[in-house]
Formats: sequence, C-alpha cells, structure tokens
Amino acid sequence: DIQMTQSPSSLSASVGDRVTITCRASQSISSYLNWYQQKLGKAPKLLIYSTSTLHSGVPSRFSGSGSGTDFTLTITSLQPEDFATYYCQQSYNTPLTFGPGTKVDIK
Amino acid sequence: EVQLLESGGTLVQPGGSLRLSCAASGFTFSTYAMTWVRQAPGKGLEWVSVMTGISGSTFYSDSVKGRFTISRDNSKNTLYLQMSSLRAEDTAVYYCAKAPGYCTNGNCYDWFDAWGQGTLVTVSS
Repeated sequence: DIQMTQSPSSLSASVGDRVTITCRASQSISSYLNWYQQKLGKAPKLLIYSTSTLHSGVPSRFSGSGSGTDFTLTITSLQPEDFATYYCQQSYNTPLTFGPGTKVDIK
Repeated sequence: EVQLLESGGTLVQPGGSLRLSCAASGFTFSTYAMTWVRQAPGKGLEWVSVMTGISGSTFYSDSVKGRFTISRDNSKNTLYLQMSSLRAEDTAVYYCAKAPGYCTNGNCYDWFDAWGQGTLVTVSS
C-alpha cells in the first residue's frame, strides 16, 4: 500500500497569509494526487485533482504542484472560510489512501 | 446539481450487520464509479470500497475485505454498502462519493468530486 504523509500536521495563520502544505507519497505516484478541504462537522470537498487541476468552483487562490513523491497545496491569500483541515489522497492505485490531514486554524 | 444522500447508519452490536444506502441525483449515475469513505470520530479519512458504473467491478480496502459488500442499483440511482461482522473499529461516519476517474486492469485511478453528508455507524454493546 502507498503511505501518504503530510506536513505540517497543523498550522496557525492569519487572513491574507500565504500557506503551503506538503504531501509525500511512499513511492512515486506520478501526478495522481488530489486535495480535499474538510470543515468541522461537514463532508470533505474536492479542491484539486491530478496534482494541479482546480475542481469546478474552487477559488483560484488554491493551487497544487509536484510530481513523483512530493506535492504541495498552496493558498496564496488565506481567507476566513479557508480555516479547515486539508487532506491529500493518491489515486495511483488501490487501496486509495489519504494523508493524515493538516489543520489550518486562526493565529 | 449533484446530490448524494446516505442513510442507514445506527447503533449496532459487535458482530452485527447493517446496510447503508446512498441515493444519488443530478448526474447519470450508471456511468460513474461510486465509492464509500469513512471517518472514525476525531480521525482522518479512510477509503473503504469502490464500484465501477458499467462493469460493476468492485475493490475493497484490506480492513473490510470479506466483511463488507458494495453494490448498486442503477435503476434506482442507489449505492449500497452491506456490512457484516462489524467491529468497534468500524465505528465511523460513512460517506458515499462520486468517483469520476476510471478503473482498469485491476486498479482504480479515482478521486472523489462530490460527497454526501455522511451517516454515522456506531458499533458498541
């Protein structure tokens, strides 16, 4: 199974900050990497698929990059509605696996 | 608008069985793979199972293989998860999700672009 790790596990940031979250796979997954946002008590929402393709309706302040084993999610100017937990997920093979999550909260 | 509505979650004793349902609308259900993802209280997301749309191929995580069965009724736009031999560690919110990727040669290249609100399964005596 492919193991996914994320760093940091949590971070505190202010509105307007640039935030970067890193996701690493235990083996190469090419560009088969996706990002989700989950707010407390709500279902996850897809942000980005295939490393860098923004899902419909997702603001352009979100972007993704990387390939192979190392990937990043960047939020260029953090907004109040962005405080949430972010998960990466590999879609390279089954079992499909998620990272442990990165919680972004208010500084 | 894509809508997914899970139901069937409840309190069940260890060793018991339960069937979850997910009613879908707003897209051509039969042409998409559908998946179940769960989240234990206070924990992260765990993929459970996926079923393709047309061929009906199924894939499971090792943690549920042999105990859970995913199925679908394309005439009713409904996805199911039959769970048996339930354990305390199966306690979680179960989400169904639409999977727009593809499965081929025994592997699935899938992500999840629409989710239901989830249904809580509690396994406890």
